Amino acid sequence: AQSVTQLGSHVSVSEGALVLLRCNYSSSVPPYLFWYVQYPNQGLQLLLKYTSAATLVKGINGFEAEFKKSETSFHLTKPSAHMSDAAEYFCAVSAPYGGATNKLIFGTGTLLAVQP
Amino acid sequence: GAVVSQHPSRVICKSGTSVKIECRSLDFQATTMFWYRQFPKQSLMLMATSNEGSKATYEQGVEKDKFLINHASLTLSTLTVTSAHPEDSSFYICSASPVGTSGRGAKNIQYFGAGTRLSVL
Repeated sequence: AQSVTQLGSHVSVSEGALVLLRCNYSSSVPPYLFWYVQYPNQGLQLLLKYTSAATLVKGINGFEAEFKKSETSFHLTKPSAHMSDAAEYFCAVSAPYGGATNKLIFGTGTLLAVQP
Repeated sequence: GAVVSQHPSRVICKSGTSVKIECRSLDFQATTMFWYRQFPKQSLMLMATSNEGSKATYEQGVEKDKFLINHASLTLSTLTVTSAHPEDSSFYICSASPVGTSGRGAKNIQYFGAGTRLSVL
């Protein structure tokens, strides 16, 4: 069974400050991990993914995440927050099998607020 | 690329009526499409997985006779909420996984539609 836990349902940072959104996973098999962003009343957009290659993954909009097996973590970071980063962020895990079994299991989400 | 169109974006209907939501992959073919439900301020809950040309696989607790899913082609899946009631009001989101892609993890990628907000009066 797989699951993800996102610590902090709400995170608030100042514009220009570091963004750190936490995600811990549980998986009985080597996981694939994803971060998605959702703007109000919209679907989800893929930020980045980890698929057992490089442990430091760079995504769009300046975000990156590091897979740490020893900590079962996949935290999302961005060095300098921008007002446009305000959104809901979801961490997700799936099994690396692909095809019909590639269900995504989502965390509960973290709402990021960026203060001017 | 990798655009998923979902229609309608918002629908308001009377209790007892049926509502159909369409999910189309515009620039790729999708062997597998997924339907999610999202309650306010909550995460996405997978309702069902649909594969082109076969019956959908429903998650535990999801009524298949209530939520009819059809995946007739590699670019279109539909979700019909039958005899909708106020408790069915929610944000429904579809996603699609491309077929024929290569690369590690490619088949685990899901591209999401913009969602449909259903309000049942």
